[in-house]
Amino acid sequence: AQSVTQPDIHITVSEGASLELRCNYSYGATPYLFWYVQSPGQGLQLLLKYFSGDTLVQGIKGFEAEFKRSQSSFNLRKPSVHWSDAAEYFCAVGDTGTASKLTFGTGTRLQVTL
Amino acid sequence: GAVVSQHPSWVICKSGTSVKIECRSLDFQATTMFWYRQFPKQSLMLMATSNEGSKATYEQGVEKDKFLINHASLTLSTLTVTSAHPEDSSFYICSARATGRANTGELFFGEGSRLTVL
Repeated sequence: AQSVTQPDIHITVSEGASLELRCNYSYGATPYLFWYVQSPGQGLQLLLKYFSGDTLVQGIKGFEAEFKRSQSSFNLRKPSVHWSDAAEYFCAVGDTGTASKLTFGTGTRLQVTL
Repeated sequence: GAVVSQHPSWVICKSGTSVKIECRSLDFQATTMFWYRQFPKQSLMLMATSNEGSKATYEQGVEKDKFLINHASLTLSTLTVTSAHPEDSSFYICSARATGRANTGELFFGEGSRLTVL
């Protein structure tokens, strides 16, 4: 069964600082990987996804993620965080059969200090 | 991008009553929709896969008689929480995948519906 681990429950960074959110997955084949962001009381917005090809994926809002098969990781990065980036971030893995049945990590709450 | 709308955004009901939550794909057709449940400060747990014109597929541990799912059209799926109890209080989120050529592999999520059972 597929699974996702987000080791960091809560991260605090200063505005303008760089950010890296960790995600490790477990899946038997090449996974479909996603990062979503959720603001309080809201649904999820897709930041980026990896299906195949270039392992460095660019997303919206200046985010990027790198797929590293050897480490079973798909870490999310942003070079300079803005206060509006404060939210909950979820990593998810989808099975290659449908890519729609997603398994989510427990999420990382990002707090940005001014 | 594609829009998925949920209604109501929040609902408060008495214990023992039933509540219906709607999930609509506003500008695309969705053969398949998914219902998730999210407890406070926790992740999303897939409850069931809603298939247009057929029975929903429920995840292990989810009571299908309690969480009734109907997907009568390509743009609407409904989740009915029957005989709701306080432990059913949660944030329910739906997602949808576009059908056919419009399918980019991306799931579009609704804004969620917060249910509080008194």
